[in-house]
Amino acid sequence: KAGVTQTPRYLIKTRGQQVTLSCSPISGHRSVSWYQQTPGQGLQFLFEYFSETQRNKGNFPGRFSGRQFSNSRSEMNVSTLELGDSALYLCASSLVPQSTDTQYFGPGTRLTVL
Amino acid sequence: GIQVEQSPPDLILQEGANSTLRCNFSDSVNNLQWFHQNPWGQLINLFYIPSGTKQNGRLSATTVATERYSLLYISSSQTTDSGVYFCAVEGTGNTPLVFGKGTRLSVIA
Repeated sequence: KAGVTQTPRYLIKTRGQQVTLSCSPISGHRSVSWYQQTPGQGLQFLFEYFSETQRNKGNFPGRFSGRQFSNSRSEMNVSTLELGDSALYLCASSLVPQSTDTQYFGPGTRLTVL
Repeated sequence: GIQVEQSPPDLILQEGANSTLRCNFSDSVNNLQWFHQNPWGQLINLFYIPSGTKQNGRLSATTVATERYSLLYISSSQTTDSGVYFCAVEGTGNTPLVFGKGTRLSVIA
């Protein structure tokens, strides 16, 4: 069974641009969560989607948004990029919402904002 | 929100040694997981263990929910065990996973 896939793996953008990251969960998984990892703040929760509905949202500005499609694939978008948005963005999937199930992580997208 | 503290922050071991990593949390939890992040950034789930004890090869974990801590044991460590070990917990109610700052383990030959 294929694991969680994320595209692109690496991305370089400039301040003010916007970016869209994609995550394909393990086949059959309906829950997708997104995390931001930085050296200073560690791993921080962004949002969780289950069956196309946002189930939970972390403490991030409105520039960060996401959605989930009917095939459970998810995208996250960051608008008006800032230098501080440089980070490793990780996606995780599970069969059911994260509170009751093991999370499986993708390899991440490393975003650099110049 | 729930607080997660991991100790020690850094650990250097000789190959073959055993180690214990600790995770303390500040409130009741529905979910507790241990992860290993390898040097390439990949997070691998080790255990889903909101309570009790589990073992998987050289790794085992114990969570004492009533005392709000979990322990990860690594026996006969190998260089491939190097990386950062994270504990993540979810409190009661519809709250997201909160990660600790991790324990950075270096196993030297």
